[in-house]
Amino acid sequence: DQQVKQNSPSLSVQEGRISILNCDYTNSMFDYFLWYKKYPAEGPTFLISISSIKDKNEDGRFTVFLNKSAKHLSLHIVPSQPGDSAVYFCAASPNAGNMLTFGGGTRLMVKP
Amino acid sequence: GAGVSQTPSNKVTEKGKYVELRCDPISGHTALYWYRQSLGQGPEFLIYFQGTGAADDSGLPNDRFFAVRPEGSVSTLKIQRTERGDSAVYLCASSLEGANTEAFFGQGTRLTVV
Repeated sequence: DQQVKQNSPSLSVQEGRISILNCDYTNSMFDYFLWYKKYPAEGPTFLISISSIKDKNEDGRFTVFLNKSAKHLSLHIVPSQPGDSAVYFCAASPNAGNMLTFGGGTRLMVKP
Repeated sequence: GAGVSQTPSNKVTEKGKYVELRCDPISGHTALYWYRQSLGQGPEFLIYFQGTGAADDSGLPNDRFFAVRPEGSVSTLKIQRTERGDSAVYLCASSLEGANTEAFFGQGTRLTVV
């Protein structure tokens, strides 16, 4: 069973608008959540994280929201830029470590 | 180099053959992780090393898969009697020990079993 799910395989947004990527999880033991960005032929690159003791973490254009009761997190990118076009993976771990459970990814396309 | 290096970048092998995939972590990173990413899916955890020892190998799919890190730096993932279902991108990551430490991924080795 998939413990971390990204239900939208792809998302297309216009440059300058907001991109919202969603992620759901089922394992209540997860207490640390991360978003990774991946370009073709490269490894995933860490983007932003959030601990379960918080409900929001912001870093520049990127904000992650965590709703523990709904077991849902989202990544907001605003304003979106064409260079943001990539596959975004949501990941979670039970102990703030790097033994991560990943979602299936969402391909974001930002149109100029 | 400054980042995690994986060799080879691509490997094509025949079904039934043995393969070794190498990972050079970032210098000073004591934690090392192997993941496998099949087409259209997210990376799946395989094994985690703390120094020289495998702290958690619960993600290895079966006994054809084995990994070593004899000196606590370079790691080798070994796959015996390869099967077509082993075709995937194998990713290595390293980090400092402890909580909330960022894991840095290599570019991966694309393994194709024909």
